[in-house]
Amino acid sequence: KAGVTQTPRYLIKTRGQQVTLSCSPISGHRSVSWYQQTPGQGLQFLFEYFSETQRNKGNFPGRFSGRQFSNSRSEMNVSTLELGDSALYLCASSYRAGVVTEQYFGPGTRLTVT
Amino acid sequence: KQEVTQIPAALSVPEGENLVLNCSFTDSAIYNLQWFRQDPGKGLTSLLLIQSSQREQTSGRLNASLDKSSGRSTLYIAASQPGDSATYLCAVSPMYSGGGADGLTFGKGTHLIIQP
Repeated sequence: KAGVTQTPRYLIKTRGQQVTLSCSPISGHRSVSWYQQTPGQGLQFLFEYFSETQRNKGNFPGRFSGRQFSNSRSEMNVSTLELGDSALYLCASSYRAGVVTEQYFGPGTRLTVT
Repeated sequence: KQEVTQIPAALSVPEGENLVLNCSFTDSAIYNLQWFRQDPGKGLTSLLLIQSSQREQTSGRLNASLDKSSGRSTLYIAASQPGDSATYLCAVSPMYSGGGADGLTFGKGTHLIIQP
């Protein structure tokens, strides 16, 4: 079974621009969560989508948003990029909503904001 | 607010040694605890998942234990190999899901180097 895939793997953007990242979960998984990983803060939860609905949201500003499609693929969008948004963005999928089941992570998208 | 701490932050040992990585959490109301491995620049690979009702899980040379009442978990790696070099992360999931910011809470990880 194919794992979680994320595209693109690397991105370089300029401050003030916006960016869209994509995540395709494992086949049959309906929950997709997004995390931001930085050297200073470590891994932090952004939000979770299940059946096209946002179920949970972490403590991030409204510039961070996401959505999920009927095939469970998910996108996250960051508007008005700041230097501090440079990070590895990871998505995770599971077959049930919430984190009560095992989470499977993708390889991540490395975003650099200059 | 749940906080997860991992000790040590870094560890370097010669090949063949048995070693223990520690993880502690402040809120014992967890549903499960997962141990992950992360190679440089890569995503996370799930190693072991322990449900809150379990005491330990084993997979090959790895054994993870959980003491929910004391807020501690350990990852034991037997007969370490250079290929075990990576960052090891533990993460806990909240007991009650769906009520807000209840994604996984991660520790900062232990950076492990196994010397050949």
